[in-house]
Amino acid sequence: NAGVTQTPKFQVLKTGQSMTLQCAQDMNHEYMSWYRQDPGMGLRLIHYSVGAGITDQGEVPNGYNVSRSTTEDFPLRLLSAAPSQTSVYFCASSYGQGFGTEAFFGQGTRLTVV
Amino acid sequence: GNSVTQMEGPVTLSEEAFLTINCTYTATGYPSLFWYVQYPGEGLQLLLKATKADDKGSNKGFEATYRKETTSFHLEKGSVQVSDSAVYFCALPLGGSEKLVFGKGTKLTVNP
Repeated sequence: NAGVTQTPKFQVLKTGQSMTLQCAQDMNHEYMSWYRQDPGMGLRLIHYSVGAGITDQGEVPNGYNVSRSTTEDFPLRLLSAAPSQTSVYFCASSYGQGFGTEAFFGQGTRLTVV
Repeated sequence: GNSVTQMEGPVTLSEEAFLTINCTYTATGYPSLFWYVQYPGEGLQLLLKATKADDKGSNKGFEATYRKETTSFHLEKGSVQVSDSAVYFCALPLGGSEKLVFGKGTKLTVNP
């Protein structure tokens, strides 16, 4: 059982480049989300989805796009990378009952924008 | 809205020492409370949870009690090991949703 799989694990981008961080889960979870982790800031929610075809913004959505065409996949797109987007990105999924269930996290993508 | 305030650390202990990491929360109603752990180079994983007031969550020797009187969910372990070195996050969901709000994390280092 793979759980939540993120690719790539590491990435270096130049300012202005675009890229997509991939996230896939095999647990048939309805709820998926993207967080970024920065030193001293904890985890901050970027975007989330409550099911296929439904996405919404989190706390820090600017500069990122998401889509959810299937239950399994929830890619995060950086439109024009900036040094401020240097961070570790985590994808998470949960069953989604509306009152907080266990979230399963991927291993993370460490992104550096130069 | 719901929020958590977590003792930030870092915390450095010797093996077999007692551990407490403080977490207090502000919430509407009585949401589930969580502790997640992040080992070096890995994603977060659930350590323990409590779903209602006075519940005690426990796992791997760690415990935390959901105390509504003090709005706290402190993490404790009686005797830490080197393998417990990690970052610990307190978390709770925003009201009526699956969105999690995290504390800033507490880095624990246990020395032999």
